[in-house]
Amino acid sequence: NAGVTQTPKFQVLKTGQSMTLQCAQDMNHEYMSWYRQDPGMGLRLIHYSVGAGITDQGEVPNGYNVSRSTTEDFPLRLLSAAPSQTSVYFCASRTSRGSTGELFFGEGSRLTVL
Amino acid sequence: SQKIEQNSEALNIQEGKTATLTCNYTNYSPAYLQWYRQDPGRGPVFLLLIRENEKEKRKERLKVTFDTTLKQSLFHITASQPADSATYLCALAGSSNTGKLIFGQGTTLQVKP
Repeated sequence: NAGVTQTPKFQVLKTGQSMTLQCAQDMNHEYMSWYRQDPGMGLRLIHYSVGAGITDQGEVPNGYNVSRSTTEDFPLRLLSAAPSQTSVYFCASRTSRGSTGELFFGEGSRLTVL
Repeated sequence: SQKIEQNSEALNIQEGKTATLTCNYTNYSPAYLQWYRQDPGRGPVFLLLIRENEKEKRKERLKVTFDTTLKQSLFHITASQPADSATYLCALAGSSNTGKLIFGQGTTLQVKP
């Protein structure tokens, strides 16, 4: 049982480049989300999805796009990377939006933008 | 604005003592609160859930309290061990049922042998 899988684990980009962070879960979870973690700032919610075809913004959505075409996958796109997007990104899922259950996190993707 | 605050300074305690971590919030009415543990280079891992109508929850050496009047949760680890050294995060859910969890910045605990 893989849980939540994120790729890549590490990435270096130049300012202005685009890329997609991949997230897949095999638990049939309806709810998926992306957080970024910066020193002293904790985990901040970027975007989330309560089911296939439904996405919404979190606390810090600017500069990021998401889509949810399947239950399993929730990719995060950076259209034009900026140094301020240097961070560790975590994908997390849970059973459903109405659940009080735990969030299951991936191992993180460390992104550096030069 | 809504805010969640955890002690930003690391907490250093001696093995065997009780560690107490604090999570304060403002302008929230959370339906429940969760605590997570995060080890360096890893994703957070769920520890405990406490609902707004519960005062206290226990799991082995862990205890969580939730005071909606004070807008505060306390997280206790009794008989602490060096293996408990990690960063602990609290997370709040709003009552709007969107499923969103908003996290505090975390407190790093160091248990010395």
